Amino acid sequence: AQSVTQLDSQVPVFEEAPVELRCNYSSSVSVYLFWYVQYPNQGLQLLLKYLSGSTLVKGINGFEAEFNKSQTSFHLRKPSVHISDTAEYFCAVIFNQAGTALIFGKGTTLSVSS
Amino acid sequence: EAGVAQSPRYKIIEKRQSVAFWCNPISGHATLYWYQQILGQGPKLLIQFQNNGVVDDSQLPKDRFSAERLKGVDSTLKIQPAKLEDSAVYLCASSPDGFMNTEAFFGQGTRLTVV
Repeated sequence: AQSVTQLDSQVPVFEEAPVELRCNYSSSVSVYLFWYVQYPNQGLQLLLKYLSGSTLVKGINGFEAEFNKSQTSFHLRKPSVHISDTAEYFCAVIFNQAGTALIFGKGTTLSVSS
Repeated sequence: EAGVAQSPRYKIIEKRQSVAFWCNPISGHATLYWYQQILGQGPKLLIQFQNNGVVDDSQLPKDRFSAERLKGVDSTLKIQPAKLEDSAVYLCASSPDGFMNTEAFFGQGTRLTVV
């Protein structure tokens, strides 16, 4: 079965430190890849997506992610985080042979402190 | 452009009662999704509509959940009877132009508490 694994449930970091949130998926078929952010008491907001082309994708708020097909990964990175980046981050995948719905990971809570 | 609208925002019911949620997608969006997000987990797809037809309802607990999308626009999701484990946020999302479009826009969700 196709699945999405976010390897860290919680990631605590200090302000201005770099961060990487890890995401792996289990499939050999072609995929579309997404990262969503959910701030407290708000809806899901798209951070970035990979559909095709360059494997390094830049998104909003200074985030970027790199698609690694051989490792079936799509890790999210930011070189310097802010307090305001504290939120829940979800990796999501569309497995192209399984339809067009997003399949989500369980989420990673990023906590940024000063 | 108006976003995906959902109502109510919050609902508290007793177990074995029934409840309904409403979703108004972005105008012109053909595809509509309902997701269930249990606390501490990622959203799980319940049902996907393409216009007013069902594309995928394989994870919808059909003994108690039902959904419809009349005229290919608004959608309602119903639970009857509710169980304690149905406590979750129910998210509606829509995307334009059918199967080949891959970006979904999400509403703020309805938080259901079953007591």
